[in-house]
Amino acid sequence: DTAVSQTPKYLVTQMGNDKSIKCEQNLGHDTMYWYKQDSKKFLKIMFSYNNKELIINETVPNRFSPKSPDKAHLNLHINSLELGDSAVYFCASSLTSGGPFIQYFGPGTRLLVL
Amino acid sequence: ELKVEQNPLFLSMQEGKNYTIYCNYSTTSDRLYWYRQDPGKSLESLFVLLSNGAVKQEGRLMASLDTKARLSTLHITAAVHDLSATYFCAVDSRYNNNDMRFGAGTRLTVKP
Repeated sequence: DTAVSQTPKYLVTQMGNDKSIKCEQNLGHDTMYWYKQDSKKFLKIMFSYNNKELIINETVPNRFSPKSPDKAHLNLHINSLELGDSAVYFCASSLTSGGPFIQYFGPGTRLLVL
Repeated sequence: ELKVEQNPLFLSMQEGKNYTIYCNYSTTSDRLYWYRQDPGKSLESLFVLLSNGAVKQEGRLMASLDTKARLSTLHITAAVHDLSATYFCAVDSRYNNNDMRFGAGTRLTVKP
C-alpha cells in the first residue's frame, strides 16, 4: 500500500486555468504538507495542516488554496495558473504530536503551465 | 529570518572515500532534517535531529547536530556508487512561526 499518494502525477495545462492536486496518506499521521520544488531543485514549504487546521501559511499567492476534508487528505487548488507555477509539487505527512517528526513524501506532481 | 546554508553544493568523490556535508542555519531551531533525493524522484527522509549533540547513523551515513554552533553535518563513510543523490538539510523553528527552510542541496556523485 502506498503511504502517501498524489494525483495526478503529471499535469499540463494552459495559463489562466484552475487545477487541483490531490493527496492522501494512510499512515495515520496528524500533519500534512505541500512543498514546491522549482526547476533549480530549490524546495519551499507552502502549507501544512495539523488536524484540519492550517498552521503554516508561507507567503504564497492566494491563488493557491489548500483544502483538507479530513486528516488523511490535503488537496491543493490553484486558480488562474501562471507560467511561474510550473514546478514539482510534493505532498508529505508526519506525526508531530510527540514525534518522531519524520516526513513521508508522495511521488510528486509535475505541473507544466503553457 | 531563518536561513539555511549547505556546502558544498556539488561533491564528486571516489568510492571508498570519506566526506562531510555541512549545514549551517541562522536562528534557534527545534528540529533539523536530512533528506535524500534521487534524480526525478521524491524525497526520502534520512534523519531527524532534535537536540544538541544528537548523532544518528544509518549504514554509511551519520548525521550530527551542534545547536550552539547552529551546525549539522552529514558524514559519508567509504562511499559507494549507490549513495549518489542530492542531499538536503532543512530546519524548522517555533521561533520562526514553525516555518521550515531547506538548504539548496548537495549533489553528490560517487565515482567507481
